[in-house]
Amino acid sequence: EIVLTQSPATLSLSPGERATLSCRASQSVNNYLAWYQHRPGQAPRLLIYDASNRATGIPTRFSGSGSGTDFTLTISSLEPEDFAVYYCQQRSNWPPLTFGGGTKVEIK
Amino acid sequence: EVQLVESGGGLVQSGGSLRLSCVASGFAFSSYSMHWVRQAPGEGLEWVSYITLSSTTVYYADSVKGRFTISRDNAKNSLFLQMNRLRAEDTAVYYCARGNGNYEYWGQGTLVTVSS
Repeated sequence: EIVLTQSPATLSLSPGERATLSCRASQSVNNYLAWYQHRPGQAPRLLIYDASNRATGIPTRFSGSGSGTDFTLTISSLEPEDFAVYYCQQRSNWPPLTFGGGTKVEIK
Repeated sequence: EVQLVESGGGLVQSGGSLRLSCVASGFAFSSYSMHWVRQAPGEGLEWVSYITLSSTTVYYADSVKGRFTISRDNAKNSLFLQMNRLRAEDTAVYYCARGNGNYEYWGQGTLVTVSS
C-alpha cells in the first residue's frame, strides 16, 4: 500500500497570501497524484489531476507540481473560499487507492 | 448536469446491516466505473470500494472486505453498497464518486452511524 504523507497538518495564513502544501509518497506514484479541496458539509472537489493538470473550472491560482514521490499544491493568492482541507490521492498502484491525511488551511 | 445522490444512511446497531444507494443522472452511468469513499468523524478520506462498468471487477479496502458488497444496476443508473456486520469504526459519511481513480464528481454523502 502506498502511504501519502501531507505537511503541514495545518497552515495558518491570511487572505491574499501564498499557500504551499506538500504531499510525499512512500514509493513512486509517477504522476498519478491528485489534489482535492474539502469544505465542511460539502462534497470534495477535484482541483488537480496527474500532478499538474487543473480540473475543469478550477481557477488558475491553483497549481500542482512534482513527480515520483514529492508533490506540491500551490495556491498563489488565497481567497476567502479557499480556507478548507486539502487532500492528495494516488492512483498509481491500487487497490487500495490512498489519500493523504490532509492539510487544513485556516485563516490566521 | 452530473448528479450523484446517495441515500440509505442512518443509525444502526453494531453487527447490523445497511444498504446504501447512489442514483446517477446527467451522464451515461453505464460508461463509468464507480467508487465508494468514506470519511469518519474528524478523520480524512478513505477509499472503500470500486466496481467496473459491467460489474466484472470489484475491489474492496481491507477494512471492509468480506463485510461489504458493491453492486450496480445500469438500467436504473444506480450504485449500491451492502454493508453487513457493521462496526463502530464504520461510522462515517459515505460518498459515491465517479471516476477511474480521479474523482471529478461526488455525491453529497450519506451518514452512517453505528452504535456500540
